Amino acid sequence: GENVEQHPSTLSVQEGDSAVIKCTYSDSASNYFPWYKQELGKGPQLIIDIRSNVGEKKDQRIAVTLNKTAKHFSLHITETQPEDSAVYFCAASYRSSNTGKLIFGQGTTLQVKP
Amino acid sequence: NAGVTQTPKFQVLKTGQSMTLQCAQDMNHNSMYWYRQDPGMGLRLIYYSASEGTTDKGEVPNGYNVSRLNKREFSLRLESAAPSQTSVYFCASSLLGGFEAYQPQHFGDGTRLSIL
Repeated sequence: GENVEQHPSTLSVQEGDSAVIKCTYSDSASNYFPWYKQELGKGPQLIIDIRSNVGEKKDQRIAVTLNKTAKHFSLHITETQPEDSAVYFCAASYRSSNTGKLIFGQGTTLQVKP
Repeated sequence: NAGVTQTPKFQVLKTGQSMTLQCAQDMNHNSMYWYRQDPGMGLRLIYYSASEGTTDKGEVPNGYNVSRLNKREFSLRLESAAPSQTSVYFCASSLLGGFEAYQPQHFGDGTRLSIL
């Protein structure tokens, strides 16, 4: 079945450093890849997404890259700040009953040390 | 902007009790979803509604039922709660649920449910 593997499960960086989170997916037909940030006690919030016809997308300090051949995609956060500390989830779309759904990775807890 | 609103925020039940989790969205979205979140397992889809009047099972539907009451509201019911259903439940909505032109999902802040 469809599967998304996310690594690492925890990541600790110094403020100002970069952070990279990687995900691999199993369904070669997946065409949409969002990233969500979840703060304590809150629901996941979409921070960036990419579609399969694009290799890279950037929004200020956040970028996502997609390698369709290898079936993996990554989130890059540059110049990290303490407020970037949160749990990050990747997801990939898949087709089921002629509708689209998301399957999520297991999550990465990012800690940015001041 | 309220977005996706879930009630209640917290609930404690005894094994065998029933309850309904409520979800409402004010974004005029067509598709709605229920997920559960357990430590180390990400978010798993319980049920979804691609459009008003339709519902279908996700990855983990056993022990749950849903009702798409109207375009705005999508409820999740536990008929006979079990300790294994202790979890955080999230409702989400998206403009469209089609695979070809996938639209982002927007989440509520969750219901934290404990079953003793």
